[in-house]
Amino acid sequence: GQNIDQPTEMTATEGAIVQINCTYQTSGFNGLFWYQQHAGEAPTFLSYNVLDGLEEKGRFSSFLSRSKGYSYLLLKELQMKDSASYLCAVGRGSYIPTFGRGTSLIVHP
Amino acid sequence: SQTIHQWPATLVQPVGSPLSLECTVEGTSNPNLYWYRQAAGRGLQLLFYSVGIGQISSEVPQNLSASRPQDRQFILSSKKLLLSDSGFYLCALESETMKETQYFGPGTRLLVL
Repeated sequence: GQNIDQPTEMTATEGAIVQINCTYQTSGFNGLFWYQQHAGEAPTFLSYNVLDGLEEKGRFSSFLSRSKGYSYLLLKELQMKDSASYLCAVGRGSYIPTFGRGTSLIVHP
Repeated sequence: SQTIHQWPATLVQPVGSPLSLECTVEGTSNPNLYWYRQAAGRGLQLLFYSVGIGQISSEVPQNLSASRPQDRQFILSSKKLLLSDSGFYLCALESETMKETQYFGPGTRLLVL
């Protein structure tokens, strides 16, 4: 079966750095995705990793280790608007990515 | 650029009533399209996907059905709604340039009473 694990909830302080981890066990791997979903809204694409290493995009970075089945999303200089759910998803080389249940990040002043 | 439209934005329906949710896309042709449901406090559940007109694959057996009458139209239906059908319904398309990347429509929030 397909299994993706990420913490249910995290809290952090405005201006700080937070790392959201994701571990996966899937049949097939064709890349790892991170999505951001604000309350009441649809998910939006954040990042895609297919090779090991760190991909940086502004305040957000995403890391992948395929041998460990592990990824993390790093958010720097946290802002209140970063309060959202962050979904980890694995592409398996089919049309259908597998989504984790999401990590709810609460940023407080 | 690709755009996804969904309507209605919100819907309140009684148990046993029919359902029809529509999704249309612009700025792309022959997209792979998806219907997801997100129940309160839960993850995304893939319901159906379609790789072309008239081609529907169901991921979860249930009282919902989907149809794709046109290239850029994807419809989710039910003949009789259940309480458990309440949730946030999202239509998505697969990126043409980055396979398996999903772009989501604004969603329809359905409450079955």
